[in-house]
Amino acid sequence: QSALTQPPSVSGSPGQSVTISCTGSTNDIAKYNHVSWYQQPPGTAPKLMIYEVSNRPSGVPDRFSGSKSGNTASLTISGLQAEDEGDYYCTSYTTSNTWVFGGGTKLSVL
Amino acid sequence: QVHLVQSGAEVQKPGASVKVSCKASGYTFTGHYIHWVRQAPGQGLEWMGWTNTNSNTAHYAQNFQDRVTMTRDSSISTAYMQLSRLTSDDTAVYYCARAFGGNAYYYFDYWGQGTLITVSS
Repeated sequence: QSALTQPPSVSGSPGQSVTISCTGSTNDIAKYNHVSWYQQPPGTAPKLMIYEVSNRPSGVPDRFSGSKSGNTASLTISGLQAEDEGDYYCTSYTTSNTWVFGGGTKLSVL
Repeated sequence: QVHLVQSGAEVQKPGASVKVSCKASGYTFTGHYIHWVRQAPGQGLEWMGWTNTNSNTAHYAQNFQDRVTMTRDSSISTAYMQLSRLTSDDTAVYYCARAFGGNAYYYFDYWGQGTLITVSS
């Protein structure tokens, strides 16, 4: 199972919006809505930000939103804040009854 | 509140095995799968496999299939991940993560603090 494809880095200024893409295949993202996104500040465990493509857990700001089209999922962060900096990972359930992660995207707030 | 507390960091020699524990609290242990994910230094997250904590069955990523064993002891709400035939490439932080529900397709809603395993001679 190949890793999902994410851009290595994205950046934006405070207040702007950024979108992180996550491209998979017909065996994962295209087939299931079991796509989630995690934020990982340096040296800490990942934190769930979006689940089932577009749902936000309690406590996650509504600046974070998710979507999917075909085999590509996207995470959009609007109204960027300095605290949003960190690494972001997408993950998807697959037809092999396994999970696969993206390579991660480093978000910098300029 | 849900907590996953993992065992402490270890240093192992190449060729050895390591067993990491993940003690759960704050919820019904057998109602949620436990997944294991690792992260090599400076690298991304890599999914390793899941344990069905109710049936004590497991399913592994192809990369680890021949040398990983995931089990649980429901009497003490603890999941285990054992990795054998270690090499330096196995140096990583190993995380356990709880699935939202009792099926493999549920997302990971709570994570342990991570366990650093260093493989060095």
